Amino acid sequence: AQSVAQPEDQVNVAEGNPLTVKCTYSVSGNPYLFWYVQYPNRGLQFLLKYITGDNLVKGSYGFEAEFNKSQTSFHLKKPSALVSDSALYFCAVRVLYGGSQGNLIFGKGTKLSVKP
Amino acid sequence: EAGVVQSPRYKIIEKKQPVAFWCNPISGHNTLYWYLQNLGQGPELLIRYENEEAVDDSQLPKDRFSAERLKGVDSTLKIQPAELGDSAVYLCASSLAPLNEQFFGPGTRLTVL
Repeated sequence: AQSVAQPEDQVNVAEGNPLTVKCTYSVSGNPYLFWYVQYPNRGLQFLLKYITGDNLVKGSYGFEAEFNKSQTSFHLKKPSALVSDSALYFCAVRVLYGGSQGNLIFGKGTKLSVKP
Repeated sequence: EAGVVQSPRYKIIEKKQPVAFWCNPISGHNTLYWYLQNLGQGPELLIRYENEEAVDDSQLPKDRFSAERLKGVDSTLKIQPAELGDSAVYLCASSLAPLNEQFFGPGTRLTVL
């Protein structure tokens, strides 16, 4: 079965410092991986995805993610955090086979708090 | 381009009452998803539609939940009767096709008293 894990419930970082939000995955075959962000009382917004190709994926709002096949990880990163980046971040993996093909399986989320 | 529209945004009901949520996907998006998001958790798929056909409803509690997408455009999710444990955010999402990026609506926050 496919799954994702976000080992940190919360990440705290000072504005201007780099940030990392961790995600590990378990899949059969090649993974299709996604990051979404959720602001309070809002729906999820797509940040970036990894399908194939370059292990470093660049996305919206200056975020990027590094795919590491040997460590089965897909960590979200940003070189310099902003207070406005404070939100809930979700990692997801796409189901590739069977009747649920195309569905996304989400992690439980990581709350990012950026302090001025 | 308008995004995914959901209504109502908030709903408070007493247990055993019925409740319905409405979703209008992005124009042209054939795939529509309903998710349940409990507090502190990631979204969990309830049902996925391809046009008007429910192609994956394996996670939908069919004893009390139902959904429809009669004309392959907007969709309604119903709970009857609601239980205390149904308090959550119900998210709707749409995509052009199953393997395309999903766009989410703002959700409906349900509180069952």
